[in-house]
Amino acid sequence: SQQGEEDPQALSIQEGENATMNCSYKTSINNLQWYRQNSGRGLVHLILIRSNEREKHSGRLRVTLDTSKKSSSLLITASRAADTASYFCAASGGSNYKLTFGKGTLLTVNP
Amino acid sequence: GAVVSQHPSWVICKSGTSVKIECRSLDFQATTMFWYRQFPKQSLMLMATSNEGSKATYEQGVEKDKFLINHASLTLSTLTVTSAHPEDSSFYICSARDPFGTNTDTQYFGPGTRLTVL
Repeated sequence: SQQGEEDPQALSIQEGENATMNCSYKTSINNLQWYRQNSGRGLVHLILIRSNEREKHSGRLRVTLDTSKKSSSLLITASRAADTASYFCAASGGSNYKLTFGKGTLLTVNP
Repeated sequence: GAVVSQHPSWVICKSGTSVKIECRSLDFQATTMFWYRQFPKQSLMLMATSNEGSKATYEQGVEKDKFLINHASLTLSTLTVTSAHPEDSSFYICSARDPFGTNTDTQYFGPGTRLTVL
């Protein structure tokens, strides 16, 4: 089964620095999605990248996808303390729209 | 747009009782909703896919008689944890797709329900 695996599991940076999180998955996908979760809250959809796309931008977010390596990365530029959260990648394949989540990266941005 | 709500946000119950959690799509119709559970500091695990007007599809290892799912309308799915036990204590999150929206692949998540079974 496909599965997203993020690394690092935890990342601590200073405000203003960039944060990069990586995700790997095991089988073919239709798209890969990144979500953010603040502690004890629901998930917020950040960005979706389709299997035929290689890079996508949204504000301070940049996502890349390498289907040959079955990996994706999320870059947050000019981080802010409010970016502190857990970030998950989720792989979607098949026609049933099911998502398989990775273990997540806990990002801490220190002011 | 694309807002999903859950009710209740938290619930504490005694062992052996049943608990119902509601998931609603507020501004769109969702033919498919998904139920996940999340243990502390862990990722989300898909429990089942809730299909409007038909039976839910459960993931391997999830007891369908334990976790009853009903998707009676295009905006409401319910998850009932029957005869809850302390090991059922978890964070339950639902999501929904908007099949008629501009981003049909995106899942919109509810805020989650924290279940604590004493």
